[in-house]
Amino acid sequence: DQQVKQNSPSLSVQEGRISILNCDYTNSMFDYFLWYKKYPAEGPTFLISISSIKDKNEDGRFTVFLNKSAKHLSLHIVPSQPGDSAVYFCAAPSNAGGTSYGKLTFGQGTILTVHP
Amino acid sequence: NAGVMQNPRHLVRRRGQEARLRCSPMKGHSHVYWYRQLPEEGLKFMVYLQKENIIDESGMPKERFSAEFPKEGPSILRIQQVVRGDSAAYFCASSLTSGEGTEAFFGQGTRLTVV
Repeated sequence: DQQVKQNSPSLSVQEGRISILNCDYTNSMFDYFLWYKKYPAEGPTFLISISSIKDKNEDGRFTVFLNKSAKHLSLHIVPSQPGDSAVYFCAAPSNAGGTSYGKLTFGQGTILTVHP
Repeated sequence: NAGVMQNPRHLVRRRGQEARLRCSPMKGHSHVYWYRQLPEEGLKFMVYLQKENIIDESGMPKERFSAEFPKEGPSILRIQQVVRGDSAAYFCASSLTSGEGTEAFFGQGTRLTVV
């Protein structure tokens, strides 16, 4: 049961344009969402998060939008840069039973390629 | 402040051997998580530990896999009698807290290859 889904395996964008990465979830109990960025042969690094009480969170070139009714979130990167090329994972704490918000359910990831 | 340290970075084992993966959390972090990433897939939660305690092992295979986080020393993920299907990247993460807003910091991973 894939509770967090990223249906686009890859995305290719021109430098300077906007990158939009999408994520859907099925578990209505999720109340916090995170985006991680991962380069090859490295671990994921935290990028940005959003609580379910908000519908938008912005940090520099990165903005995450949350649509709770649609169970959908998106990450916008503008302007996109070649150094943004990486795999992006959407994640949500699956802390049912009150274990920890560090216990995460990840999507499959989207490979972003930004062309110069 | 060093990040999460995992070793070895690469590990090759023959079928039937044991694999031991080590994880030293960030300084001051007492919450440790292990994740596995199979080829072409996202990371899958395996186990959550605090010092000397397994809190949540709902993602651990029932056989051959075990984890510990002793009072002193790193957390260890142990895989006995490895099979080819165990080949994957294993990531450890640690966090300072466990409540909302917790940020889990990941290590660089151990890539296990079973031949």
